[in-house]
Amino acid sequence: DAGVIQSPRHEVTEMGQEVTLRCKPISGHDYLFWYRQTMMRGLELLIYFNNNVPIDDSGMPEDRFSAKMPNASFSTLKIQPSEPRDSAVYFCASSPGNSGANVLTFGAGSRLTVL
Amino acid sequence: QKEVEQNSGPLSVPEGAIASLNCTYSDRGSQSFFWYRQYSGKSPELIMSIYSNGDKEDGRFTAQLNKASQYVSLLIRDSQPSDSATYLCAVKDETGGFKTIFGAGTRLFVKA
Repeated sequence: DAGVIQSPRHEVTEMGQEVTLRCKPISGHDYLFWYRQTMMRGLELLIYFNNNVPIDDSGMPEDRFSAKMPNASFSTLKIQPSEPRDSAVYFCASSPGNSGANVLTFGAGSRLTVL
Repeated sequence: QKEVEQNSGPLSVPEGAIASLNCTYSDRGSQSFFWYRQYSGKSPELIMSIYSNGDKEDGRFTAQLNKASQYVSLLIRDSQPSDSATYLCAVKDETGGFKTIFGAGTRLFVKA
């Protein structure tokens, strides 16, 4: 298995531009998570999906952020318009969700820099 | 708000020594606990999970859980320079749903 695949690996954009981050979870994993990691705030959960349905988006910082999962093999996290404070590493993770536990497999991350 | 607390370090130990990493959590109802390792510039990867009080050993790693004290620890025996990384303590939120809350991580340096 290729693991969780994220793209792009690096994105540099200017304030006000739209940013779209993409994620392909591990095949057969029912849960998909979007996390953001910064030095100041650590690893924060933004939103997660179960069987393509958004379950909890309470971590999404504001309306500029949106996430979709149109099918079991693809999810996007969109920021529109982007701001410098959105600069962070965004991780996608997936989990099989069995046994009631929550073992996460992370993608390589997308490093976003907003100028 | 549920919290997971870790000493940010850095924790520096000589090669061959035992590294001890500690974590406390606020939700007394928590049942599932994890340690992730994150090398600089890389993504977190799971190294240990523990669900019952006591010790769980896997190679050079031992996770210890004390639910009464709301305390989780990770011991790394015979520390190697390759163990130098940030170690993230994580706790599953048991209030419904499938959320995992991460601590800020402890940076470990193993000196050769």
